[in-house]
Amino acid sequence: DAGITQSPRHKVTETGTPVTLRCHQTENHRYMYWYRQDPGHGLRLIHYSYGVKDTDKGEVSDGYSVSRSKTEDFLLTLESATSSQTSVYFCAISGSGNNEKLFFGSGTQLSVL
Amino acid sequence: AQSVSQHNHHVILSEAASLELGCNYSYGGTVNLFWYVQYPGQHLQLLLKYFSGDPLVKGIKGFEAEFIKSKFSFNLRKPSVQWSDTAEYFCAVNAAGGANNLFFGTGTRLTVIP
Repeated sequence: DAGITQSPRHKVTETGTPVTLRCHQTENHRYMYWYRQDPGHGLRLIHYSYGVKDTDKGEVSDGYSVSRSKTEDFLLTLESATSSQTSVYFCAISGSGNNEKLFFGSGTQLSVL
Repeated sequence: AQSVSQHNHHVILSEAASLELGCNYSYGGTVNLFWYVQYPGQHLQLLLKYFSGDPLVKGIKGFEAEFIKSKFSFNLRKPSVQWSDTAEYFCAVNAAGGANNLFFGTGTRLTVIP
């Protein structure tokens, strides 16, 4: 398995609170991604990064922000969590070629009450 | 933008039955196509991918997929499923030479009955 660590693995929080999820990689891969997985929707891209301080929005970016200050770390922040953001969040990494496969982390189960 | 359709939401098969899961994409240009599998309680992992060459690609665990450009399809097949193939299967696409991010289908849950 690729060296990807997501933290925390599980989190329960209340509506309106800020939440930060962390993805750490040891593979020195250029690209990092945040997806959310919901029943009936598959995986949807939230944000991705193509280098340090280089990020772009995905298809469901509203309510989320990201930061990448180091190659190995990609943070996802929910500024003010809502119940609709209850989901499983997966971090993924890949090399530079766009036909390269993604390596996924183990996921973070987030519940917003 | 690209999109992916997986019309089978849940497929139930007996062991040794043959499997075919449908995947259709919408995009007018050249694409890269992927199938990922998610076993219960685990993260996604790559089964196989197509980006050029022979449209019939073979992956891990006896899976294969055929890219039919005229039908915008990339169906996944396995001649004889096992109980251990019980999992959720996701088709994904991106534009060749474009951004790296993948667009995923909604997934097909496969249950194999011993």
